[in-house]
Amino acid sequence: DAGVIQSPRHEVTEMGQEVTLRCKPISGHDYLFWYRQTMMRGLELLIYFNNNVPIDDSGMPEDRFSAKMPNASFSTLKIQPSEPRDSAVYFCASSLGRLSNQPQHFGDGTRLSIL
Amino acid sequence: DAKTTQPTSMDCAEGRAANLPCNHSTISGNEYVYWYRQIHSQGPQYIIHGLKNNETNEMASLIITEDRKSSTLILPHATLRDTAVYYCIVRPVYNTDKLIFGTGTRLQVFP
Repeated sequence: DAGVIQSPRHEVTEMGQEVTLRCKPISGHDYLFWYRQTMMRGLELLIYFNNNVPIDDSGMPEDRFSAKMPNASFSTLKIQPSEPRDSAVYFCASSLGRLSNQPQHFGDGTRLSIL
Repeated sequence: DAKTTQPTSMDCAEGRAANLPCNHSTISGNEYVYWYRQIHSQGPQYIIHGLKNNETNEMASLIITEDRKSSTLILPHATLRDTAVYYCIVRPVYNTDKLIFGTGTRLQVFP
């Protein structure tokens, strides 16, 4: 079965450029999560969606970050303009259902480097 | 804030059982214990979870003490591919968001 699919796997771009990260959740899952991982802060939840609707974006660091989920099979995380401190690995995860009896399944991440 | 305490690192010989402890002394009755692992350059991988009873699946066993204040993840026959960072997480039953990852235990399996 296909897991969570993220693209690109690696992204290197210059400061000030727009960056778009993509995620395809597991089919049938109704929750989607975006995380960021850095050496300093570990894994942090940025935002999550339920049935394509953003539920909690309190982890989004600032207005330069935005996330959308236009349909059940696709989500984007956009950074505009990008800064060197945004360099990190960004993970997308999905899960089924409201109860925490359902585990979150993670993609392999996008490694982002802002020069 | 992470509500669990784990050793920073552990070693295990290939083929032997790896026993990874986790302390969650402030756990409440409506919180699960979850275990994930992260192999280098990959996303976190779900291993197992439990509420009160011990659990076993194809990957591992989870032993939860009777007072629920600590637990142990057991990999019965560790292989080199089990080298990873292992995270123990407590998570409310009626809450699907905010998996709060601590620093985890770095398990090194050696030949």
